[in-house]
Amino acid sequence: EAQLVESGGGLVQPGGSLRLSCAAFGFTFKTYDMGWVRLAPGKGLEWVSHIHFSGRDTYHADSVKGRFTISRDNAKSSLFLQMNSLRDEDTAIYYCAKARLGSTRDYDYWGQGTLVTVSS
Amino acid sequence: DIQMTQSPSSLSASIGDRVTITCRASQNIRNYLNWYHQKPGRAPQLLIYAASTLQSGVPSRFSGSGSGTDFTLTISGLQPEDFATYYCQQSYNPFITFGPGTRLEIK
Repeated sequence: EAQLVESGGGLVQPGGSLRLSCAAFGFTFKTYDMGWVRLAPGKGLEWVSHIHFSGRDTYHADSVKGRFTISRDNAKSSLFLQMNSLRDEDTAIYYCAKARLGSTRDYDYWGQGTLVTVSS
Repeated sequence: DIQMTQSPSSLSASIGDRVTITCRASQNIRNYLNWYHQKPGRAPQLLIYAASTLQSGVPSRFSGSGSGTDFTLTISGLQPEDFATYYCQQSYNPFITFGPGTRLEIK
């Protein structure tokens, strides 16, 4: 069974940077698209970024475009989210998620999340 | 961007009830509509994909219908573990969007 384990969250000041990682186990990582989704306090789920299984194509929500970058290392079965110019409103639990099939954009496995807190 | 709306925003129901949650897309998304629920402190769980296909391992009391812009999720015979927040999600284009959520509470 697939398993996803996020790391890299923490407390950061506004304007700072963090790099989230997601280690994948139990499936052939290089054949599945992956994504990041966040849950801010008192809010609903918000899609953040998505990456093609090859890494060829990436997509980011308007709220993070130009500040966040999704990437992957298929040799290490790992997904990343580089977050720059962080704002208070980026405070959230960040989940990595696996596409159900190849390049579908519904997510069937999720990590337990890593908390990012942006505060001075 | 495709905007998603859900109704109601919250719902109180009893064990054994049948409940329906609706989701509307701002444009035609064919059947690229998925449903999740999320319990406090837990990761989201995929329930239904492609509008009406039950994800493996999800109980058959969950069902989905619709196409185009209007969709529904029905839970027939609520169980204690079903009290959670429910989200629809469009996957028609690469810029995925979720609905705002429907909080299902015990009456």
